[in-house]
Amino acid sequence: DAEITQSPRHKITETGRQVTLACHQTWNHNNMFWYRQDLGHGLRLIHYSYGVHDTNKGEVSDGYSVSRSNTEDLPLTLESAASSQTSVYFCASGRERNEQFFGPGTRLTVL
Amino acid sequence: GESVGLHLPTLSVQEGDNSIINCAYSNSASDYFIWYKQESGKGPQFIIDIRSNMDKRQGQRVTVLLNKTVKHLSLQIAATQPGDSAVYFCAENVNFGNEKLTFGTGTRLTIIP
Repeated sequence: DAEITQSPRHKITETGRQVTLACHQTWNHNNMFWYRQDLGHGLRLIHYSYGVHDTNKGEVSDGYSVSRSNTEDLPLTLESAASSQTSVYFCASGRERNEQFFGPGTRLTVL
Repeated sequence: GESVGLHLPTLSVQEGDNSIINCAYSNSASDYFIWYKQESGKGPQFIIDIRSNMDKRQGQRVTVLLNKTVKHLSLQIAATQPGDSAVYFCAENVNFGNEKLTFGTGTRLTIIP
């Protein structure tokens, strides 16, 4: 069955380290999104992509980057992790705006 | 979506009763709305959507109502079951072709057995 996966599911890192969170979908969706979820803020869009080699900044993109070298993957990189980036991160993919299928999430702790 | 500070609004409902979850959206230009359900430890899951040219849409045990005049959206869940316990988010979208969604902060629904 087609699916969307995220890895790792849990990650603890130290301030200043570079961290990459993986997102992989097998639906062949063009659209992929990264969100962070924090209590009191709901889901906030970090970066998104509408296709290979396309990337766009969301509302909270500072300190994050993405690259889209193929349809299936949109890795999210924290260039220099900060404690403020402790959060739960969700990846989503879809074809149209009524189709955002979410992955299981990655819980990131920055110490 | 609603701005509720640091704490999620909560709603507790007796099993079998109906529940209504509300959402105030922010952008008068939004023309498409979705309700998501998020169970503990999982990603959000699509429940039902509605376009701005509609006032009401029904699914299985769920109904979404849209009041564009006051920018208000509600999700009604009929005959609630323990499996309905979750956090519910509304999301809004502006312009077909721009696939970005803006999410509300969510409401935690607890079904009391």
